Amino acid sequence: RKEVEQDPGPFNVPEGATVAFNCTYSNSASQSFFWYRQDCRKEPKLLMSVYSSGNEDGRFTAQLNRASQYISLLIRDSKLSDSATYLCVVTPAGSSYKLIFGSGTRLLVRP
Amino acid sequence: GAGVSQSPSNKVTEKGKDVELRCDPISGHTALYWYRQRLGQGLEFLIYFQGNSAPDKSGLPSDRFSAERTGESVSTLTIQRTQQEDSAVYLCASSPRTGPNIQYFGAGTRLSVL
Repeated sequence: RKEVEQDPGPFNVPEGATVAFNCTYSNSASQSFFWYRQDCRKEPKLLMSVYSSGNEDGRFTAQLNRASQYISLLIRDSKLSDSATYLCVVTPAGSSYKLIFGSGTRLLVRP
Repeated sequence: GAGVSQSPSNKVTEKGKDVELRCDPISGHTALYWYRQRLGQGLEFLIYFQGNSAPDKSGLPSDRFSAERTGESVSTLTIQRTQQEDSAVYLCASSPRTGPNIQYFGAGTRLSVL
């Protein structure tokens, strides 16, 4: 079983739609959680950190459910520029520097 | 300031040749990481350097892979006797010593082994 699992998609949605991605992780002692965004043939960039209390940044909301070991990302009012691959990232217990990446969920926002 | 710089951006080589990839981290960042990303896959951790501490080499897939870093400066990833399965994008990232582990990535080196 992979340490971090994501639905590869693609999620194909119209502009203005709300879309949600989930990610599950296998190690219950994982410490930190992030969403990164990767555009086609580009490097990953941090989108947002995920906190236990949940956090929001504009149209983006991230949630963490430690009991069920999943992380979610909600995007409201999708824009064409949101088209990208969204990578779920986890820091394992006892290794604050290491990041474990999921394979990513691809989002396509159409006009 | 400048971001993480990697060179070359593309490298085509023949099976069996050695290649050397270079990473120049963000100035002042003490931590440096190498990852491999195969087509359509997530990032695989290869190696981590933190200052002058011993590196974490636990992700290197075989003894054909090695990496060096002098102090907190440039790092090189060397792949000896390249194989076709080494074809991938090799990404370098750096992060500051303090604060959350937010890593800043370079644009990567796309390696193609023929």
